Order: sequence, then structure tokens, then C-alpha cells
Amino acid sequence: DAKTTQPNSMESNEEEPVHLPCNHSTISGTDYIHWYRQLPSQGPEYVIHGLTSNVNNRMASLAIAEDRKSSTLILHRATLRDAAVYYCIPIPVRDDKIIFGKGTRLHILP
Amino acid sequence: ETGVTQTPRHLVMGMTNKKSLKCEQHLGHNAMYWYKQSAKKPLELMFVYNFKEQTENNSVPSRFSPECPNSSHLFLHLHTLQPEDSALYLCASSQIGTSLGEQYFGPGTRLTVT
Repeated sequence: DAKTTQPNSMESNEEEPVHLPCNHSTISGTDYIHWYRQLPSQGPEYVIHGLTSNVNNRMASLAIAEDRKSSTLILHRATLRDAAVYYCIPIPVRDDKIIFGKGTRLHILP
Repeated sequence: ETGVTQTPRHLVMGMTNKKSLKCEQHLGHNAMYWYKQSAKKPLELMFVYNFKEQTENNSVPSRFSPECPNSSHLFLHLHTLQPEDSALYLCASSQIGTSLGEQYFGPGTRLTVT
């Protein structure tokens, strides 16, 4: 399993963009990069995933480095409801196991 | 709404009790999972069921006994637990066989063992 490195915590102001980094230098060529987040008192929820190209959805954008050894989750305009622990997880295609790390605890300041 | 429900949401039990946690998914998925989340530790995968068959037992003590009677329901039977088993137990489901089976989690059961 590819190892990931994420900051333990980050802070951002409300209504500003947030860039959450993740290093995954041992990622395999067939691993997809998934991001999940866990809001307080809730189970984790899927945010976004990608392989090589940058990806956008209604929740966030995912920027993947050309060498795939790092990626950045981008929240374009953070709200208080985005305060959560964000997990970056490389997952082999068709694998059914998610190995969670410690993630990044994101604090949003009003 | 996540499509995955768990009951009860909170449970307090003594070390000699027997209780069960229930999970139900309404998403038509074919795989279900149990995770444990202890304070200050990452989520730990406990069990995986694909098409009702257990495919993963992540070295979980036998005092935890999973049951998957069909692809929509998953149980975790608990007996003679220890205080260190107090944690948030999360259930998830996914659709195996697609290129990327993102998992959908329930809200969890907060278990306290006294």
C-alpha cells in the first residue's frame, strides 16, 4: 500500500480557497488517488478521485502532479461546514479496501 | 442522507453483555464493511464482505463476530468485550466490480464498554 503524508492540521478563513496537500511518493501506476472527509460526529464521505488528470466536481477540485507523487485537494470557497478531517488515500483499481491514515484536520475560521 | 443506516447510534454495555450492531444499506451495493475508530487513531478496517462472503478479517479478536445474511444487511455481534473496545464502529458499502467502488459510510455506533 502506498504511504501518504499529510499535514496534521490546517486553518483557513471562511469564504477563501483552501489547498490541502498530500504526498504519495510510493504510489503505484494503477492507484487512483481518492479523497474522503469526515465531518464531526459523522462517518467519512467520498469527496473526489483521480488518476492523472485534474478533476472537478461539485464539492472540490483535485490537482495531481505530473509525476503523480503528490496531489492537492482544492476547496474553492471554504465554509464553516467544510471543517473536517480530510484523508488522501491511494487505492488500486478494483480494490475493495480503504486504508485510512491520520488525515488533515481542517479548521475554518469565521 | 447517506443511504447507509446504523442502529443503535449509541450503546453502553458491560463486559459480560452480548449485543449486536446493525447496518443496512439502501444503495443496491454488493459489498459491506465494518470499521473501528478509536480516539486519536486512524480508522481501522475490521471485516469485508463481498456478495455476502467474508473476504477480509483484519486480525479482529473473536469477541467480534460479523454476520452478513444478505447484501443489504450487516451485523456485528459483540460478546465479552473489553473497555479498550470502546470506539465508534462504522459500517460502509460499495459496489465492487466497477472501476472505482467508492465507499458510502453510515453515521456509526458509539460504543462504550464499562
